[in-house]
Amino acid sequence: GNSVTQMEGPVTLSEEAFLTINCTYTATGYPSLFWYVQYPGEGLQLLLKATKADDKGSNKGFEATYRKETTSFHLEKGSVQVSDSAVYFCALSAGGGYQKVTFGTGTKLQVIP
Amino acid sequence: NAGVTQTPKFRVLKTGQSMTLLCAQDMNHEYMYWYRQDPGMGLRLIHYSVGEGTTAKGEVPDGYNVSRLKKQNFLLGLESAAPSQTSVYFCASGDEQFFGPGTRLTVL
Repeated sequence: GNSVTQMEGPVTLSEEAFLTINCTYTATGYPSLFWYVQYPGEGLQLLLKATKADDKGSNKGFEATYRKETTSFHLEKGSVQVSDSAVYFCALSAGGGYQKVTFGTGTKLQVIP
Repeated sequence: NAGVTQTPKFRVLKTGQSMTLLCAQDMNHEYMYWYRQDPGMGLRLIHYSVGEGTTAKGEVPDGYNVSRLKKQNFLLGLESAAPSQTSVYFCASGDEQFFGPGTRLTVL
């Protein structure tokens, strides 16, 4: 079946540091890939997505590139802010008639001033 | 637009009690989903619906029932609550999974 593996947290960074959160996946066919963000006490929000190999998703300074050869979709940001502190979820959708989404277990990011 | 709303926000039940969680969306989405979120396990799909009047089982459907009588509403029912159902429940709708704010349920 489909699965998503992401690096365990928590990840603690100083403000303005570079962020990488690793995500790899297993899926049949050609899935779409997503990053969601969850702020404390809230539901998940779509951060960015990529629908085919070599696509780069980007939003709010975050980027991730769909790498089919390494089955990866790592999240990066050049300079994190305290307001980026949240839990980040990597996910994939393999379609199949409806948008069944498989989520990773989440990586907590804490940014300190 | 309110997006996706969930009621209630918090609930405490005793073992064996029943309750219904309500999800409402105003985006005219066909697809709606119920997930549970537990520490270290990410989100797991309980049930989903591809349109009004339809429902289907997800990964962890046991102990839950759902109904989608109106397109904008998706109800999740617990007939006889168990401590293992203590969790945070999220509703989502649409292809890109717009999430509600969640319901924190504790079963004693």
